[in-house]
Amino acid sequence: NAGVTQTPKFQVLKTGQSMTLQCAQDMNHNSMYWYRQDPGMGLRLIYYSASEGTTDKGEVPNGYNVSRLNKREFSLRLESAAPSQTSVYFCASSVGRSNEKLFFGSGTQLSVL
Amino acid sequence: GENVEQHPSTLSVQEGDSAVIKCTYSDSASNYFPWYKQELGKRPQLIIDIRSNVGEKKDQRIAVTLNKTAKHFSLHITETQPEDSAVYFCAASRSANNDMRFGAGTRLTVKP
Repeated sequence: NAGVTQTPKFQVLKTGQSMTLQCAQDMNHNSMYWYRQDPGMGLRLIYYSASEGTTDKGEVPNGYNVSRLNKREFSLRLESAAPSQTSVYFCASSVGRSNEKLFFGSGTQLSVL
Repeated sequence: GENVEQHPSTLSVQEGDSAVIKCTYSDSASNYFPWYKQELGKRPQLIIDIRSNVGEKKDQRIAVTLNKTAKHFSLHITETQPEDSAVYFCAASRSANNDMRFGAGTRLTVKP
């Protein structure tokens, strides 16, 4: 039982490059989330999926897209990376359709040069 | 939307002392208040949460108190140990609402 698994752990991009962050959970949770963590700013919600087949914007969605591929997997895509997207990205899941009792992945450290 | 402010940003205590971290929120309809602990280089982990129909909740050395009238809630850690050293985040949201907002975090250092 791995919980929430994110890949990759580290990534360096050049401005304008694209990439997809992968996330999978094996806890049969309904909801999945993508957060970014920046120094002094806590965790900010990018996008979430309250159930398979649905996605919604969070607090900071600009520059990102998501796909809820199935109940287990929720990916985050940066189409044209910008230096402002340098951050640590966390995927999370919760058993219900709300963000109570979140289980987080181990994070992806992304640097955009 | 909800706005959560957290104080202090850093806190240093001696082992065995108590630590208190305070958060205020802006949305009077918020009714779920979790606390997450993040050790250096690790993922955030839920340590305790409270709903607005409860004024206080305890779990061993950790307690959370909520004052709905004043819109603030606090984390209390008693008999602190070096392994309590971490960044602690508070958050607030409405139930069944996925737009939970986090505080900026408090870096707690427990000196042996």
